[in-house]
Amino acid sequence: DTAVSQTPKYLVTQMGNDKSIKCEQNLGHDTMYWYKQDSKKFLKIMFSYNNKELIINETVPNRFSPKSPDKAHLNLHINSLELGDSAVYFCASSQDRQSNTEAFFGQGTRLTVV
Amino acid sequence: GEDVEQSLFLSVREGDSSVINCTYTDSSSTYLYWYKQEPGAGLQLLTYIFSNMDMKQDQRLTVLLNKKDKHLSLRIADTQTGDSAIYFCAESPFSGGYNKLIFGAGTRLAVHP
Repeated sequence: DTAVSQTPKYLVTQMGNDKSIKCEQNLGHDTMYWYKQDSKKFLKIMFSYNNKELIINETVPNRFSPKSPDKAHLNLHINSLELGDSAVYFCASSQDRQSNTEAFFGQGTRLTVV
Repeated sequence: GEDVEQSLFLSVREGDSSVINCTYTDSSSTYLYWYKQEPGAGLQLLTYIFSNMDMKQDQRLTVLLNKKDKHLSLRIADTQTGDSAIYFCAESPFSGGYNKLIFGAGTRLAVHP
């Protein structure tokens, strides 16, 4: 069983479109994250949710809207996509927001905006 | 501030030891981590060290932590071709009641015969 799964794995779309990436974890963790990895492989946290509550928002444009319907899911919706949004987006989860002994990562979603 | 720096490339011969170095800035990090990313894959936690330790050994991996200099290193003994990947150092500053991972830019390890 995959611990943290994201869909789709690849997403190619045109500028201006709206798209969503889904993430689910079956580890019973309370905290979930979205990270962005740019073309130079630099990884940066975007959001974190703890028990469906937003706890980290790292000055991400408001075109990005995370949604957590329950603590096992954290979806990422992106409006009006721009070329600079092209990146690999990683979902992750950890036991809770404080221990963070290990964050489990999904396989990533490669988003290409053309 | 929150900043993690590491060298971008390392090339070693199969069977040699690899040492990947990292410096970090936030002294509040309870844990420091090494993640591995193979081509086209997600991140896998390789090992971590608690901030009050100065060394941790796990099979072929040795982590050294110099808290005074905020320097972290990962040594891989008997490096194999399967170790070729990008290695990310990460700190976990604790502020505002939550943790987040701050990653370095990653060190690309190339292992050649």
